Amino acid sequence: ETGVTQTPRHLVMGMTNKKSLKCEQHLGHNAMYWYKQSAKKPLELMFVYSLEERVENNSVPSRFSPECPNSSHLFLHLHTLQPEDSALYLCASSQGLRQNNEQFFGPGTRLTVL
Amino acid sequence: AQKITQTQPGMFVQEKEAVTLDCTYDTSDPSYGLFWYKQPSSGEMIFLIYQGSYDQQNATEGRYSLNFQKARKSANLVISASQLGDSAMYFCAMSTTGGYQKVTFGIGTKLQVIP
Repeated sequence: ETGVTQTPRHLVMGMTNKKSLKCEQHLGHNAMYWYKQSAKKPLELMFVYSLEERVENNSVPSRFSPECPNSSHLFLHLHTLQPEDSALYLCASSQGLRQNNEQFFGPGTRLTVL
Repeated sequence: AQKITQTQPGMFVQEKEAVTLDCTYDTSDPSYGLFWYKQPSSGEMIFLIYQGSYDQQNATEGRYSLNFQKARKSANLVISASQLGDSAMYFCAMSTTGGYQKVTFGIGTKLQVIP
């Protein structure tokens, strides 16, 4: 595997389900991000982890719970979601947090909440 | 607050022609970075090019160049010799630092290359 991988690629869940999104980066980076991409809206930064510590929680509802067990893996745990949470969830990584560090993105998980 | 504006929801370009995608930004930070990403229908965001606010020269990466006009706060992407594979969504983004790299994205421009 190379780059940033995300599983599953597609997920359909009911509002009462609990599921998790997984992200893995194979680039040796030390920062990881979760973004939400909804139709007709800019990407929204949700969470930032640097060296496995959360450095930003961008006013995200508690029904989204991130977990970063090591610098290569990032999870997004989902529970009691709402239909408006349906979106493409993108994971990214970067080497450091400097402004010139480009972020490398995974292919995303297309989430549909029924 | 940071803001990125992309005013072209969709653009068409003939294959082998050049195209310019517009991006303006707003920030009060003196130091920032500007990125362009490409998102094909597969969903993955692909990094194209970076311009630092203090860089004296416009960035170029192969067929991509960034027309950086600091006084006008614009960072337009120029794609030369368009190819069919260039059809995708293009996002302009700005990064600033304040404990972590905060990246603000624009709403994107959908580019379609016509044979």
